[in-house]
Amino acid sequence: AQSVTQPDIHITVSEGASLELRCNYSYGATPYLFWYVQSPGQGLQLLLKYFSGDTLVQGIKGFEAEFKRSQSSFNLRKPSVHWSDAAEYFCAVAAANQAGTALIFGKGTTLSVSS
Amino acid sequence: ETGVTQTPRHLVMGMTNKKSLKCEQHLGHNAMYWYKQSAKKPLELMFVYNFKEQTENNSVPSRFSPECPNSSHLFLHLHTLQPEDSALYLCASSQGAGSYGYTFGSGTRLTVV
Repeated sequence: AQSVTQPDIHITVSEGASLELRCNYSYGATPYLFWYVQSPGQGLQLLLKYFSGDTLVQGIKGFEAEFKRSQSSFNLRKPSVHWSDAAEYFCAVAAANQAGTALIFGKGTTLSVSS
Repeated sequence: ETGVTQTPRHLVMGMTNKKSLKCEQHLGHNAMYWYKQSAKKPLELMFVYNFKEQTENNSVPSRFSPECPNSSHLFLHLHTLQPEDSALYLCASSQGAGSYGYTFGSGTRLTVV
């Protein structure tokens, strides 16, 4: 069965500092991997996704993530955090090549940005 | 405009009421999903519909009844809910296996009193 682990429940980063949010997944075959962001009271917005090819993927808002098959990880990074990045971040996995397969989410990491 | 529209945005209902949540997608996707997001809990998959057919029911209580009349519309009918059912209910859609991504609506914030 698929599963996603986000080890950090809450992270605080200073504005302008770099950020890395961790994500580990469990899935036997080639996964589809996603990072979503959710602001308070809002739905989920897709930041980036990985299906195949280049293991470093670029997303919106200056985020990137690197897929490491050997470590079953898909960590999210941003070189310089802005106060507006404060939100909840979810890593998710889906089974590739299966129509109608739902996303399985991690528990999320809450990012706070200090000035 | 995310392409997935959920109505209403907020709903307060008593435990004996019957109400429905609506989700509509204008993206041409063929799979639709209901998720429940409770405070301090991870997103829980409730139902999956693929080409209008329900392909997954994640052990959801019968007081939640989904309906998918076509690939663009998804409903969640609610009756005799409990206070612990208060949550944000999110609808999502995808094309096939989701290789173009899953698109979420803004959710319906449900409060059961």
